[in-house]
Amino acid sequence: EAQVTQNPRYLITVTGKKLTVTCSQNMNHEYMSWYRQDPGLGLRQIYYSMNVEVTDKGDVPEGYKVSRKEKRNFPLILESPSPNQTSLYFCASSLSFGTSTDTQYFGPGTRLTVL
Amino acid sequence: GENVEQHPSTLSVQEGDSAVIKCTYSDSASNYFPWYKQELGKRPQLIIDIRSNVGEKKDQRIAVTLNKTAKHFSLHITETQPEDSAVYFCAASTRSGNTGKLIFGQGTTLQVKP
Repeated sequence: EAQVTQNPRYLITVTGKKLTVTCSQNMNHEYMSWYRQDPGLGLRQIYYSMNVEVTDKGDVPEGYKVSRKEKRNFPLILESPSPNQTSLYFCASSLSFGTSTDTQYFGPGTRLTVL
Repeated sequence: GENVEQHPSTLSVQEGDSAVIKCTYSDSASNYFPWYKQELGKRPQLIIDIRSNVGEKKDQRIAVTLNKTAKHFSLHITETQPEDSAVYFCAASTRSGNTGKLIFGQGTTLQVKP
């Protein structure tokens, strides 16, 4: 089944404790992206990757890191999480970006709470 | 950079009525405008999109219109049904070079009353 998966789905952690949220897709998609969703703010793009080893900042990259060492995986790293990073996080992927095949498919979401 | 404003933030209609959600964007170079529907507790899913070389696109009860001069685009849902109740997001992107940004509006919560 074609899908985007995220792990963990729920996470409660404490300030300063490094964490990684994994994202994986099995559709051979080139483009992958991370968003955070907060009430009243919609979805805001954190980082995106146009292809392997190509990543770039979205609108709210502060406090986050990403890597794209292989096509299927795009982990989101919070080196020193803070309470303002408490949010619902979505990973998404698409076959490409900027062509007729750029429909983004979202993962199930990861609800992160930083105490 | 691009900024997308979406209105209204909440919309309540009677079943069978039409619903219209409007978005404005700031970057005249934006050329791709998708709409996503997010049901409660679920992930966003694409329902329709439009590209800048087209003024209108329709898919059954859903249509999207684009006015490039005014830099706004709208989602139209006709004959609304209770299962249309959800949060709807518009988005805009500029597809050029290696830019891969997709900017979303703040969302509209649509409630369809039976």
